[in-house]
Amino acid sequence: DIQMTQSPSSVSASVGDRVTITCRASQGISSWLAWYQQKPGKAPKLLIYAASSLQSGVPSRFSGSGSGTDFTLTISSLQPEDFATYYCQQANSFPLITFGQGTRLEIK
Amino acid sequence: QVTLRESGPALVKPTQTLTLTCTFSGFSLSTSGMCVSWIRQPPGKALEWLALIDWDDDKYYSTSLKTRLTISKDTSKNQVVLTMTNMDPVDTATYYCARIRGVRGYAFDIWGQGTMVTVSS
Repeated sequence: DIQMTQSPSSVSASVGDRVTITCRASQGISSWLAWYQQKPGKAPKLLIYAASSLQSGVPSRFSGSGSGTDFTLTISSLQPEDFATYYCQQANSFPLITFGQGTRLEIK
Repeated sequence: QVTLRESGPALVKPTQTLTLTCTFSGFSLSTSGMCVSWIRQPPGKALEWLALIDWDDDKYYSTSLKTRLTISKDTSKNQVVLTMTNMDPVDTATYYCARIRGVRGYAFDIWGQGTMVTVSS
């Protein structure tokens, strides 16, 4: 199975900051990567698919990049509603899917 | 509007079989490329993919759990059912169903709200 490793596991930041979260795959996955945001007690919400495509309705301050094994999710200017946990998910081995372990974004 | 909703027991005993139902609307699981999947999340832990069924009735399972899982669909009822045998306290989690399609890079674009299942005697 393809393993997905996110870093950092948690990060503290302030409103207005630029934040980058990294996801590394244990083998090349082309651009088959998605990013999700999850708030406490809620289902995950799709932000980015195919590594860099913004899901409809998601603010443009969210962006994704990367291919192969290394990927990043960037939030250009943090807003109060962005404090949440973020997960990456690979689909290169679709339909066998794996998620990263999550990155918790906290208020500094 | 596309929606999915999970239903099933909130509490099961160890060794019992869990049966969860995902009822969806706004799309057809007969449409080419359409798939529905189950994902779970133990309290405070990460997401774990469990199983997937596609429009052609092909079924796929997590490598680590495949001996315990069965996924099926009833297209006429717009439902997908997951059974998990031999439940254990470590299976305590919120169970989600979600839609996944190739046109969205095989990402889960719509999720149910989740159903919490506790395994305890």
